[in-house]
Amino acid sequence: EIVMTQSPATLSMSPGERATLSCRASQSVSNNLAWYQQKPGQAPRLLISGASTRANGIPARFSGSGSGTEFTLTISSLQSEDFAVYYCQQYDNWSPFTFGPGTKVVVK
Amino acid sequence: EVQLVESGGGLVQPGGSLRLSCAASGFTFSTYWMSWVRQAPGKGLEWVANINPDGSEKYYLDSVKGRFTISRDNTKNSLYLQMNSLRIEDTAVYYCAKDGRTWPYWGQGTLVTVSS
Repeated sequence: EIVMTQSPATLSMSPGERATLSCRASQSVSNNLAWYQQKPGQAPRLLISGASTRANGIPARFSGSGSGTEFTLTISSLQSEDFAVYYCQQYDNWSPFTFGPGTKVVVK
Repeated sequence: EVQLVESGGGLVQPGGSLRLSCAASGFTFSTYWMSWVRQAPGKGLEWVANINPDGSEKYYLDSVKGRFTISRDNTKNSLYLQMNSLRIEDTAVYYCAKDGRTWPYWGQGTLVTVSS
């Protein structure tokens, strides 16, 4: 099983700031990496797949990068609606697909 | 518009069974992989199972193999998860999700609570 880790666990930011979230895989997943956003009481929302391709309707302030074992999600200028939990997920190893533990972005 | 609506959750005792359903609409259900993903209260996301379009391929999380069965009825645009021998650690919100490896569409989830 591929183990995903995320850092930091909590990120304290102010609106308008640039946020950088990290995700690491225990072995190479190529570019088979997705990012999700989840708000309290809601289902997750797919932001990025293929490590860097934004999903339909996702604002350009969200960008993904990386390959192999190291990945980054960047939010260029935090909006009020971006304070949420973010999960990375690998889908290189067909089974099981695994998620990171999440990074919670909170208001400073 | 893609819609996924889960049902069938509830309170069940350890060792009991439950069958979850997911009604799909807004896309050609019979041509897509479908998945179940769960989230324990206050915890992260965990993929549970997925199934190919004609139901001939199924994959499971190790901890549910032999206890859970994913299935689908393409004539009814429905996805199912039969859960047997339920354990306390199976307590979670169970989401139905469209596609097999990444999930752009999710249902609202149905809560399964395993408790005595």
